[in-house]
Amino acid sequence: GEDVEQSLFLSVREGDSSVINCTYTDSSSTYLYWYKQEPGAGLQLLTYIFSNMDMKQDQRLTVLLNKKDKHLSLRIADTQTGDSAIYFCAVRLSGGYNKLIFGAGTRLAVHP
Amino acid sequence: ETGVTQSPTHLIKTRGQQVTLRCSSQSGHNTVSWYQQALGQGPQFIFQYYREEENGRGNFPPRFSGLQFPNYSSELNVNALELDDSALYLCASSLVGTSEVAGELFFGEGSRLTVL
Repeated sequence: GEDVEQSLFLSVREGDSSVINCTYTDSSSTYLYWYKQEPGAGLQLLTYIFSNMDMKQDQRLTVLLNKKDKHLSLRIADTQTGDSAIYFCAVRLSGGYNKLIFGAGTRLAVHP
Repeated sequence: ETGVTQSPTHLIKTRGQQVTLRCSSQSGHNTVSWYQQALGQGPQFIFQYYREEENGRGNFPPRFSGLQFPNYSSELNVNALELDDSALYLCASSLVGTSEVAGELFFGEGSRLTVL
């Protein structure tokens, strides 16, 4: 079945760039997403990319998609303490459903 | 603020009881989907409602059911609650058109259910 994998933990220094990686198995994915979740809160949509794109930039966020390797990454430039949270990668399958397959999440810790 | 609102935010039930969770989708969105997020895990797709009918379902038993109303709001009902049903239940809304599926999918803050 479909599977999405992420590393569980990332620690960076404030001001550095963070890169969170994700791999997926289903090649029929249409959209690929990055969500942020703070403790006790819901999911905040950070950005998403359509499967025919290689890159998308949105202010401090850069998403890179390598369809051949089924690899998605999220780069956060100038990481701040407010960026500390869990980041979920998710892929949306073809077929018109809002069925997203999520990874287990990467906990980003930003230290001074 | 996503415009997706859920209620209640927290609730506690006992095993065997039934629960109803509610969701109001973002204005203009016609599709609602529900997800279950157990502690320490990513969300899992329960089902989707479009035009008041369920049109997609994940690997959840029939005791998980739902409704979508003409104003596109939705309910999730869970019967015969089990301890493993304790989780954060998330509602997501989007706009599904006649051809291209829009990419944006917004989640609410969730309803945290504890089953004792």
